[in-house]
Amino acid sequence: GIQVEQSPPDLILQEGANSTLRCNFSDSVNNLQWFHQNPWGQLINLFYIPSGTKQNGRLSATTVATERYSLLYISSSQTTDSGVYFCAVGANDMRFGAGTRLTVKP
Amino acid sequence: AAGVIQSPRHLIKEKRETATLKCYPIPRHDTVYWYQQGPGQDPQFLISFYEKMQSDKGSIPDRFSAQQFSDYHSELNMSSLELGDSALYFCASSYAGGNTIYFGEGSWLTVV
Repeated sequence: GIQVEQSPPDLILQEGANSTLRCNFSDSVNNLQWFHQNPWGQLINLFYIPSGTKQNGRLSATTVATERYSLLYISSSQTTDSGVYFCAVGANDMRFGAGTRLTVKP
Repeated sequence: AAGVIQSPRHLIKEKRETATLKCYPIPRHDTVYWYQQGPGQDPQFLISFYEKMQSDKGSIPDRFSAQQFSDYHSELNMSSLELGDSALYFCASSYAGGNTIYFGEGSWLTVV
């Protein structure tokens, strides 16, 4: 099956810093989503982005489908951004990466 | 906007007992998915249903079964529970004509 790798596995930032999270996938995909899992376990959709670039406030994402990677940018990070960020690919049997655990310190 | 509703939110069961989790998808969504997330793990796909028929099957143990009812809600039945079944169970839903999958808040199952 398709492999999804995320990096870095852990990231610690000071409030206000910017960061880039990466997701590599082993095969072509027509469905890629980024999720944020908050400390209470909730999985929140951030972007549906099989290709191209999208922005939503301080967050933006870019997927280069031909090179099989996606990037999630977080600017001016806040403590509420802490949690685990997952990249997931596929449709009916969505496969998740192992996630990037982000800790934003005040 | 209405979200995916899961119940119960927390459940504690003893080994070898049975548990049932319920999921109410977003209105007009016709596809339901179940995922299992163990401690420190990423969510693993268990099973999905489209229009009340099983559409895909993942790493769902034989001790588990699921179905989708005429009102589109779904139930995950887990029998002969083991300690390793302790996890966060997510239900998610989508509309076949759409492309985004929405997750519920999850049901925490603890097997003791």
